[in-house]
Amino acid sequence: DAKTTQPNSMESNEEEPVHLPCNHSTISGTDYIHWYRQLPSQGPEYVIHGLTSNVNNRMASLAIAEDRKSSTLILHRATLRDAAVYYCSGTGNTGKLIFGQGTTLQVKP
Amino acid sequence: DSGVTQTPKHLITATGQRVTLRCSPRSGDLSVYWYQQSLDQGLQFLIQYYNGEERAKGNILERFSAQQFPDLHSELNLSSLELGDSALYFCASSRAGEFTDTQYFGPGTRLTVL
Repeated sequence: DAKTTQPNSMESNEEEPVHLPCNHSTISGTDYIHWYRQLPSQGPEYVIHGLTSNVNNRMASLAIAEDRKSSTLILHRATLRDAAVYYCSGTGNTGKLIFGQGTTLQVKP
Repeated sequence: DSGVTQTPKHLITATGQRVTLRCSPRSGDLSVYWYQQSLDQGLQFLIQYYNGEERAKGNILERFSAQQFPDLHSELNLSSLELGDSALYFCASSRAGEFTDTQYFGPGTRLTVL
């Protein structure tokens, strides 16, 4: 199973972009990279996923390194509602998620 | 609301007891996953079922077992409970249990073992 490493915490100001890094050096060639976030007192929720190319959706962008050993989740304009724990995970072919410790994002007004 | 329901929301029990946690997946989802979240271990994958069959296994203790029924709901059974089993237990579901699937998480069951 692919192991992931993320910074424990990050801070951002409201309305500014945030770049959340993740190292997944043991990821296999077929593992997708998924990002989830967990708001206080809630279950995790899906943010974005990708394989090799950079991906965009209405919530965020995902930039994947060419060697696929790292990725960066980009929130283009952080809001107070984006304060959460962000997890990256590789998935095997069954889709199971192997979460690391996650990054706690604090957004300051 | 993710569409995944879990019952009960809270459970308080004593060491040595047995409990059953229940999960109903989103309509149309065939795969169910169970995760345990504790302060010291973080969010850990326990087990996955797809259409009634076990698909993948994580760090699930032998005292724990799960199953997925024909109507696709799933139950996680925890027996001989220890203090260290106190945690949040999440169920998630996805369409096909594949690596591109999005998982939808339920609100969790908070288990307290006294």
